[in-house]
Amino acid sequence: QVQLVESGGGVVQPGRSLGLSCAASGFIFRTSGVHWVRQAPGKALEWVAAISYDGSTTYYADSVKGRVTISRDNSKNTVFLQMNNLSAEDTAVYYCAKQAEVGWSHLDHWGQGTLVTVSS
Amino acid sequence: QSALTQPPSVSGSLGQSVTISCTGTSSDVGRYNSVSWYQQHPGKAPRFMIYDVNNRPSGVPDRFSGSKSGNTASLTVSGLQAEDEADYYCSSYAGSISVVFGGGTRLTVL
Repeated sequence: QVQLVESGGGVVQPGRSLGLSCAASGFIFRTSGVHWVRQAPGKALEWVAAISYDGSTTYYADSVKGRVTISRDNSKNTVFLQMNNLSAEDTAVYYCAKQAEVGWSHLDHWGQGTLVTVSS
Repeated sequence: QSALTQPPSVSGSLGQSVTISCTGTSSDVGRYNSVSWYQQHPGKAPRFMIYDVNNRPSGVPDRFSGSKSGNTASLTVSGLQAEDEADYYCSSYAGSISVVFGGGTRLTVL
């Protein structure tokens, strides 16, 4: 079955950087786009970034553009999210999600998320 | 992009039907049929429920249905069951290769 497992979350000071990973299994990873979506405590889902199946194209929300980089290693079935210059507004659970075959913006499988807390 | 507008909460009795609205603009919901709905139980990951306005992925009960009129999409849950109590989020393709989510709706089953 499809599995996505995020890791790398934790407590980080404002202005510092943090890298998240998403390990995928149960599907042909190299043919699927992957997205990151975050959810601040008690708040709604917010789309963060996406990467094409081969890593050649990346997409970012305006709220993180310039501070966040999404990448992937198809040999390791893993997607990464590097976040720089973090602020309290970045505190959230970060989910990675597999892009559905039915359309770019549809996310058919999600990981359980990893919590990032930005605090001094 | 601004978040899509959903009512904070809706409720219905067991066996009844409820409808959750999701209002966007002519740049997202009104322009594209790439509307999805997700169900999220507390402390859990979202579950993919509806895509392209009114299509159900395999495994989703046919009690869940979607529709769209103009800038507003809707999710209807018929024959409410206790396990339907959850948060529901809509999303839409928003152009320029981006996605916008709604603010979420808490469905309470009475």
